[in-house]
Amino acid sequence: DAGVIQSPRHEVTEMGQEVTLRCKPISGHDYLFWYRQTMMRGLELLIYFNNNVPIDDSGMPEDRFSAKMPNASFSTLKIQPSEPRDSAVYFCASSLWDRGPPYEQYFGPGTRLTVT
Amino acid sequence: AQTVTQSQPEMSVQEAETVTLSCTYDTSESDYYLFWYKQPPSRQMILVIRQEAYKQQNATENRFSVNFQKAAKSFSLKISDSQLGDAAMYFCAYRGWETSGSRLTFGEGTQLTVNP
Repeated sequence: DAGVIQSPRHEVTEMGQEVTLRCKPISGHDYLFWYRQTMMRGLELLIYFNNNVPIDDSGMPEDRFSAKMPNASFSTLKIQPSEPRDSAVYFCASSLWDRGPPYEQYFGPGTRLTVT
Repeated sequence: AQTVTQSQPEMSVQEAETVTLSCTYDTSESDYYLFWYKQPPSRQMILVIRQEAYKQQNATENRFSVNFQKAAKSFSLKISDSQLGDAAMYFCAYRGWETSGSRLTFGEGTQLTVNP
């Protein structure tokens, strides 16, 4: 399996612009997670989906952030408008649940976002 | 809410020696899972080892082993025969079963340096 795929790997944009991050989970996985990593806050969960349905979006910072999962093989995280404080590495991860071990989440390579 | 604490921001070890990274957590759940993830400079999150809370036996994976003390809520990682490739940021993570959904809660991380 190719693992979790994220695109782009790097994104540089200007404040106020819309940014869309993309994720393809591991085939067959029914959970998808979006995390953000910053020096100040560490790794924090933004939102996660089960069977394409958002389950917990309490970590989404504000209305500027939105996430969708239109099908089992694709998810997007959108920031509109972007701000410099959104600069971070954004990870997508996927996992199986209630199917026995392993229970861990498999992470993509991350997208490094820089907002100037 | 569950919390994970890594009290050692940085650690160093000589090549071929043994090092132990500390992790403590706080939870009211009785069933949960604990993980150690490694993040090298490539920023890819790599699972090192996992432990199910209901298992008394400490998990081992080759040179990596854990000391799981459920009553003390402690979950340390021991790396034996350290290699240069072990140099990375190490994150301890908690995943509950009963109330915390499928989210992973991460510690702050420990930066491990391996000296030749």
